[in-house]
Amino acid sequence: GQNIDQPTEMTATEGAIVQINCTYQTSGFNGLFWYQQHAGEAPTFLSYNVLDGLEEKGRFSSFLSRSKGYSYLLLKELQMKDSASYLCARGSRGSTLGRLYFGRGTQLTVWP
Amino acid sequence: GAGVSQSPSNKVTEKGKDVELRCDPISGHTALYWYRQRLGQGLEFLIYFQGNSAPDKSGLPSDRFSAERTGESVSTLTIQRTQQEDSAVYLCASSFTGEETQYFGPGTRLLVL
Repeated sequence: GQNIDQPTEMTATEGAIVQINCTYQTSGFNGLFWYQQHAGEAPTFLSYNVLDGLEEKGRFSSFLSRSKGYSYLLLKELQMKDSASYLCARGSRGSTLGRLYFGRGTQLTVWP
Repeated sequence: GAGVSQSPSNKVTEKGKDVELRCDPISGHTALYWYRQRLGQGLEFLIYFQGNSAPDKSGLPSDRFSAERTGESVSTLTIQRTQQEDSAVYLCASSFTGEETQYFGPGTRLLVL
């Protein structure tokens, strides 16, 4: 497999900040995606990193370190509606171009 | 500006029956993907279509699974002689090209009794 690892569950309170980490196999790396998936719904795109550094998009930011095979998704000013599963996915080059390899997802619960 | 659509949204079938799942990608997207999501598991790649190129079928779990795509439009995923382990959500996604962001449909929830 592609060894996409992320925590299974996290909890946080409204208004707080949470960081969801993801590590992946670096061979053939072609970009790192984060998706949000509410229960019973389709994954929706959050962010894409292909170069090292931090990409900020409103309350959500995503960081990538290609040399370390590491990414994180940072969620600020948490709201109840942020309770969802967050999926880390790695793009691939070469013969497997086009595929996304997904982690199992991190189930985030935001408490009032 | 419709998104990816899939039908049916839910399907209950008996073991041994064939099922056909449909995906309508976003207009203009040349790439189309099928994934499977079992309960509590990550998304598992099944098959990838890119334009008129031969599809990447390497993720299909067995020869009971097949998929077709008509040009750059509709795709159908067929599962023959369904087994209980085929129960899952089948998600379709599309993108402009094979290296662009994939946008997912709502999925088909398949239950094999």
